[in-house]
Amino acid sequence: GAGVSQSPSNKVTEKGKDVELRCDPISGHTALYWYRQSLGQGLEFLIYFQGNSAPDKSGLPSDRFSAERTGGSVSTLTIQRTQQEDSAVYLCASSLENSSPLHFGNGTRLTVT
Amino acid sequence: AQTVTQSQPEMSVQEAETVTLSCTYDTSESDYYLFWYKQPPSRQMILVIRQEAYKQQNATENRFSVNFQKAAKSFSLKISDSQLGDAAMYFCAYRSDYGGSQGNLIFGKGTKLSVKP
Repeated sequence: GAGVSQSPSNKVTEKGKDVELRCDPISGHTALYWYRQSLGQGLEFLIYFQGNSAPDKSGLPSDRFSAERTGGSVSTLTIQRTQQEDSAVYLCASSLENSSPLHFGNGTRLTVT
Repeated sequence: AQTVTQSQPEMSVQEAETVTLSCTYDTSESDYYLFWYKQPPSRQMILVIRQEAYKQQNATENRFSVNFQKAAKSFSLKISDSQLGDAAMYFCAYRSDYGGSQGNLIFGKGTKLSVKP
């Protein structure tokens, strides 16, 4: 079956603009995660969804970042008033339940100019 | 808070040889999971191997095996008979078995593995 799908694959935006990143998890996966990977760094946890609710938003770096998940499926990560330090690869992962292995998408590379 | 440390930013191995990637972690929990993920240039994180902390036996997956030392909080990855396709970034990750974020992975900064023909 299809894996985790993320769109767009690449996004270039001007500083100050808002961007939306989309994640389509594997069908039936109840848990969904967003991570950020800056150049040469490991993955930084941003937010976790169980169904449509987000028990843990502790990783969101500022109030410019928000995320939602609807219908227990698609999730959108929104970054408002983008800054150059937001440039990174944003990875989404899903799992059948929160104790199951994570399956990752190919990520969205965001470049803020 | 849990942390994961990979002390080798880069490693190199000759094709068909064996290489070991190091990982240490810090936690006060007794139940958790440890993982090694591979990230090729395609960016997708691919699960290589998984270890449950309550299991004393080291996990193996074909050419990949781990040396899990719970008391020392060490979790190294051994790749035997290295192949050109093994070249990638390798990330060690920790996953708690407690709390609201029990599914969340905590990653090390990665080790870039090069394989020489």
